[in-house]
Amino acid sequence: GESVGLHLPTLSVQEGDNSIINCAYSNSASDYFIWYKQESGKGPQFIIDIRSNMDKRQGQRVTVLLNKTVKHLSLQIAATQPGDSAVYFCAESISGSARQLTFGSGTQLTVLP
Amino acid sequence: DADVTQTPRNRITKTGKRIMLECSQTKGHDRMYWYRQDPGLGLRLIYYSFDVKDINKGEISDGYSVSRQAQAKFSLSLESAIPNQTALYFCATSDRRRSNQPQHFGDGTRLSIL
Repeated sequence: GESVGLHLPTLSVQEGDNSIINCAYSNSASDYFIWYKQESGKGPQFIIDIRSNMDKRQGQRVTVLLNKTVKHLSLQIAATQPGDSAVYFCAESISGSARQLTFGSGTQLTVLP
Repeated sequence: DADVTQTPRNRITKTGKRIMLECSQTKGHDRMYWYRQDPGLGLRLIYYSFDVKDINKGEISDGYSVSRQAQAKFSLSLESAIPNQTALYFCATSDRRRSNQPQHFGDGTRLSIL
């Protein structure tokens, strides 16, 4: 089956810098995408989502970009803080598929002091 | 999400034992899911349920069973545990009434099978 994958398994950034986490998806029928943050010992926490009829969506300090042409998703975190250190997962789903999510393998973000 | 509670949080048991993991939610959501997470991997769907007594297999249902006797509760059972079922297990919920809504996760059960 098709799956969601990530380009980089780990990412280290300096505190205060911007972070960019990438995700490639292979199912062109996917129309809804979510970014989750998972801290150690906790479950995935919803960060931001985007529908396929959008290219960009902004939240508080986070922006998700969707490029359907190359099936690429990215999460940008502005002014990265120590509390942003976590594993970040992207997930995709298809309308009418019972909202089953397919998850990528995750990127470990480490914020350096 | 504090509204999705999983018990136990940790469990160590032996091969061949029957194990039940419980999930309860106060979000009023109708859809519930069980996922498994292995080190360095994303979450994989085991079973999901859209309503009471509705059960659907996910990607990796072999060796597992579930029960949905009430809207707020969804339990996962391992009838005869084996070591390769050692993993982190997550329960999630979502709301059928709202399209394009994310799933909300509990904090997981860490299961070790010796």
